[in-house]
Amino acid sequence: DAKTTQPTSMDCAEGRAANLPCNHSTISGNEYVYWYRQIHSQGPQYIIHGLKNNETNEMASLIITEDRKSSTLILPHATLRDTAVYYCIVRVAFGDKIIFGKGTRLHILP
Amino acid sequence: DVKVTQSSRYLVKRTGEKVFLECVQDMDHENMFWYRQDPGLGLRLIYFSYDVKMKEKGDIPEGYSVSREKKERFSLILESASTNQTSMYLCASSLLNTEAFFGQGTRLTVV
Repeated sequence: DAKTTQPTSMDCAEGRAANLPCNHSTISGNEYVYWYRQIHSQGPQYIIHGLKNNETNEMASLIITEDRKSSTLILPHATLRDTAVYYCIVRVAFGDKIIFGKGTRLHILP
Repeated sequence: DVKVTQSSRYLVKRTGEKVFLECVQDMDHENMFWYRQDPGLGLRLIYFSYDVKMKEKGDIPEGYSVSREKKERFSLILESASTNQTSMYLCASSLLNTEAFFGQGTRLTVV
């Protein structure tokens, strides 16, 4: 079973920041938090991952709480192309299987 | 760029046929994965492999087998296809502790 809990769906206005929450209250010390997204009819695409520090790349920022029990993915300036299902996953390193939950369906509103 | 290639985008097979879904990656990744995706059920892991000839069951291995004879290729086998195996099948690969890269998927219909 997935170890994460996410809202089923969210809306965000185009041009605004989209903040997608994820709860992973049973995360272990050696587990990373990964985010992927899946645009309709395509395979999932990696966005970002982190262990305990906040991370930023060209796509998004990842904010992990100090107790590591939850995180937030931030898309700073959402566009219509960001409409997708976003998956939050916890995963240990070295050969562990990747289990997806149901994800959050993000709708970007024009 | 990493490329994960699935042999077919769309496939139609008859009930009882033996079906092979092929996946090839070009980045020397150790891990490879097979998922199926169905409406309302999300992505479910069927099998994964962390090395040549090594495999582990995922959450829904029943009715499937896999083969990994070479590092770059991971095959999913439906020994006797059934209509409840109609689905989108997704292959992925990754290094040991990095992100996974996915293929475009194979939409299999069993009639």
